Amino acid sequence: GAVVSQHPSWVICKSGTSVKIECRSLDFQATTMFWYRQFPKQSLMLMATSNEGSKATYEQGVEKDKFLINHASLTLSTLTVTSAHPEDSSFYICSAPGQGGNQPQHFGDGTRLSIL
Amino acid sequence: GEDVEQSLFLSVREGDSSVINCTYTDSSSTYLYWYKQEPGAGLQLLTYIFSNMDMKQDQRLTVLLNKKDKHLSLRIADTQTGDSAIYFCAESYSGGGADGLTFGKGTHLIIQP
Repeated sequence: GAVVSQHPSWVICKSGTSVKIECRSLDFQATTMFWYRQFPKQSLMLMATSNEGSKATYEQGVEKDKFLINHASLTLSTLTVTSAHPEDSSFYICSAPGQGGNQPQHFGDGTRLSIL
Repeated sequence: GEDVEQSLFLSVREGDSSVINCTYTDSSSTYLYWYKQEPGAGLQLLTYIFSNMDMKQDQRLTVLLNKKDKHLSLRIADTQTGDSAIYFCAESYSGGGADGLTFGKGTHLIIQP
């Protein structure tokens, strides 16, 4: 079963709206989570690393004021796309570290964001 | 910076073997992964290999790693229509979750009847 739950799976909203995406680790704690973005028919690009109890680390070129990340608990990280515009439309995926040694990361099912 | 390269398309006949290739530039890559993504869906981890391994086999999947040439391949034996998807190669310096993954652009596997 899924070990990382991402919500919502699909959201359509008007330009100018802020949208919050949640990423939850189920039955385990994650001090770190990762947020990726995938444009249509393109690869996944790491946007930022979410750190529980401290500021997120953003990749070069990612606007931290545009993509607000909060990791307030050991099982929840949120990504808020502020004042979203059509160019923010994309597929956003989160992941959490694997458990026990060097196990692969667990990915959520992704959120498809469409801004009209 | 880190770079992962894949060809964009591969077309094979049903029942044949598919070989998807990937090259990476970061010599410190320690963990290499193959993910599958079906249309409109999330990522499915297929397999992964540590850089100190040359080969890993799991049922129909065989991963070969040439660390000297920084070349990774995924062979799918007896390709079926359900294998039609985009396959992403990815790498990371550390396993588990110490850092994010760097993905290739993905190879779209097309199955001919």
